[in-house]
Amino acid sequence: NAGVMQNPRHLVRRRGQEARLRCSPMKGHSHVYWYRQLPEEGLKFMVYLQKENIIDESGMPKERFSAEFPKEGPSILRIQQVVRGDSAAYFCASSPPREIGANVLTFGAGSRLTVL
Amino acid sequence: QQQVKQSPQSLIVQKGGISIINCAYENTAFDYFPWYQQFPGKGPALLIAIRPDVSEKKEGRFTISFNKSAKQFSLHIMDSQPGDSATYFCAASMNRDDKIIFGKGTRLHILP
Repeated sequence: NAGVMQNPRHLVRRRGQEARLRCSPMKGHSHVYWYRQLPEEGLKFMVYLQKENIIDESGMPKERFSAEFPKEGPSILRIQQVVRGDSAAYFCASSPPREIGANVLTFGAGSRLTVL
Repeated sequence: QQQVKQSPQSLIVQKGGISIINCAYENTAFDYFPWYQQFPGKGPALLIAIRPDVSEKKEGRFTISFNKSAKQFSLHIMDSQPGDSATYFCAASMNRDDKIIFGKGTRLHILP
């Protein structure tokens, strides 16, 4: 079991470019979460998805950010027209279906975005 | 609005000592309180968790103490070791709401 796989591990973008971060959940997990981590700020919830469905996006900025978890393939966090303030570590986590286990998140190693 | 407040921000403890990290929460609907441990360059990993129907949970050297009336919970690391040096996050969630809300983290350093 390879765990939660995130790529790329490091991404450098210039202001105005697009960033795409990918996350493959653990085998058997049907829920995906995205968190953003800034120094001294902890982990900020962004969005929670199931296959083809956004369950909770209350932590997503209203503009430029979007997330999807298609029927086939990884979940993708997309940031359009990046700005320097988007520089952060973005962590994906997955969890099993609620009827199997509650709220136990397994995190990936993170994608570190640097905006020049 | 910060729903889970964690302190201290950083902590230095001698090897063999007890490390104590405290958290307080606002929302009485929270019913699951995990602690996560994160090493540099890695993702957080679940360390130990508690539900509010018990006041204490122990796993090896790690203990969670929970005070429902005060809306506070804490992590105690007994016989702290240099390998425990990491950032620790307390967190909370509700049964009907799957997202987990994290505190800002405590950077723990154990002196050899």
